[in-house]
Amino acid sequence: AQSVTQLGSHVSVSEGALVLLRCNYSSSVPPYLFWYVQYPNQGLQLLLKYTTGATLVKGINGFEAEFKKSETSFHLTKPSAHMSDAAEYFCAVSDHRSGYSTLTFGKGTMLLVSP
Amino acid sequence: DSGVTQTPKHLITATGQRVTLRCSPRSGDLSVYWYQQSLDQGLQFLIHYYNGEERAKGNILERFSAQQFPDLHSELNLSSLELGDSALYFCASTQGTSGYTFGSGTRLTVV
Repeated sequence: AQSVTQLGSHVSVSEGALVLLRCNYSSSVPPYLFWYVQYPNQGLQLLLKYTTGATLVKGINGFEAEFKKSETSFHLTKPSAHMSDAAEYFCAVSDHRSGYSTLTFGKGTMLLVSP
Repeated sequence: DSGVTQTPKHLITATGQRVTLRCSPRSGDLSVYWYQQSLDQGLQFLIHYYNGEERAKGNILERFSAQQFPDLHSELNLSSLELGDSALYFCASTQGTSGYTFGSGTRLTVV
């Protein structure tokens, strides 16, 4: 069975500060990993994904994440937070063995950005 | 606009009732996934359909059922509703295994 653990239900940063949202996963197969963002009263939007290849992946809005197999981690970072980054962020792992993609999500981390 | 359309956006109904949520996937996507998002359970996978056929089931209650039609739209039917069924219900569509496109969800409130 797959699982995702997101450390910290809430993370607070100041505008311009580094954003670091932590994600650890458990998977019995080489994982596909995703980060999604959810703004209030909206659906989830894909930020970035790791499937194969380069372990540092860049996404939209200046976010990036690094797949570290030895640490079973896929932490999300952004060098400088903007007020518009305030949202809930979800890490997910995919079970793609069947050729389809059932995602298991973490509980989410609410990012709060203060001026 | 993600290209995945869900209707209605909001639904308020009484306990014991039955509702139908509708999802139209992105053009060309054959797979539709349904998820439930609640405060206590987070995002839970319910069911997956591919080109009209059920492919996988997750934590879907027996009171819930779904189908995908020949035009690829999908419906999630929720019956004998309980207060605990109040949640956001999302559908997502994809062509492969490298990430979904989500709709904006249906917020169901059972009173």
